[in-house]
Amino acid sequence: EAQVTQNPRYLITVTGKKLTVTCSQNMNHEYMSWYRQDPGLGLRQIYYSMNVEVTDKGDVPEGYKVSRKEKRNFPLILESPSPNQTSLYFCATRAGGLYNEQFFGPGTRLTVL
Amino acid sequence: DQQVKQNSPSLSVQEGRISILNCDYTNSMFDYFLWYKKYPAEGPTFLISISSIKDKNEDGRFTVFLNKSAKHLSLHIVPSQPGDSAVYFCAALLSGGGADGLTFGKGTHLIIQP
Repeated sequence: EAQVTQNPRYLITVTGKKLTVTCSQNMNHEYMSWYRQDPGLGLRQIYYSMNVEVTDKGDVPEGYKVSRKEKRNFPLILESPSPNQTSLYFCATRAGGLYNEQFFGPGTRLTVL
Repeated sequence: DQQVKQNSPSLSVQEGRISILNCDYTNSMFDYFLWYKKYPAEGPTFLISISSIKDKNEDGRFTVFLNKSAKHLSLHIVPSQPGDSAVYFCAALLSGGGADGLTFGKGTHLIIQP
């Protein structure tokens, strides 16, 4: 079964405590992205990756890091989380080529106190 | 500056009637458009898409219309069913496939009333 998995699904943490949200896909997709969803703002892209070791900033990259050491994994790293990073995070993947749809993970609800 | 706009945060429609969700865009370099549906506590799921070379695409109860000159697209759901109650996101891709991902609207919460 084609899957995009994220862990953890829910996380409450405190300001400044480094955390990592993992994303894994089993579809052998080249492209992976991270989005955040905030009330009244919709979905905004944080970072994306076109393949292993190729990453680039999206619309709201400040305060986040990513890495793509393996094709299937694309972790999102918050080195020093702040309350304004409290949000719902989605990982997404799509196959290479033009106009392929993105598949989204189930989401990670992050609260930074 | 928001490039993809969904100006109705919510829409209430009676079961069995037609639901029409609207989306406007400003960037003329967008040439592929998608609709995603999102239930609470789940990730968005792809619903239907349309290329800018078409003006209509139909899939069962769902039809998307594109008016390029007006930079406007709409999603029609007919007949509306209770399971259609969800948040619907309009999204756009830049010409060339958009390796850098989708640009989303803010979403419209569709509520189907019995």
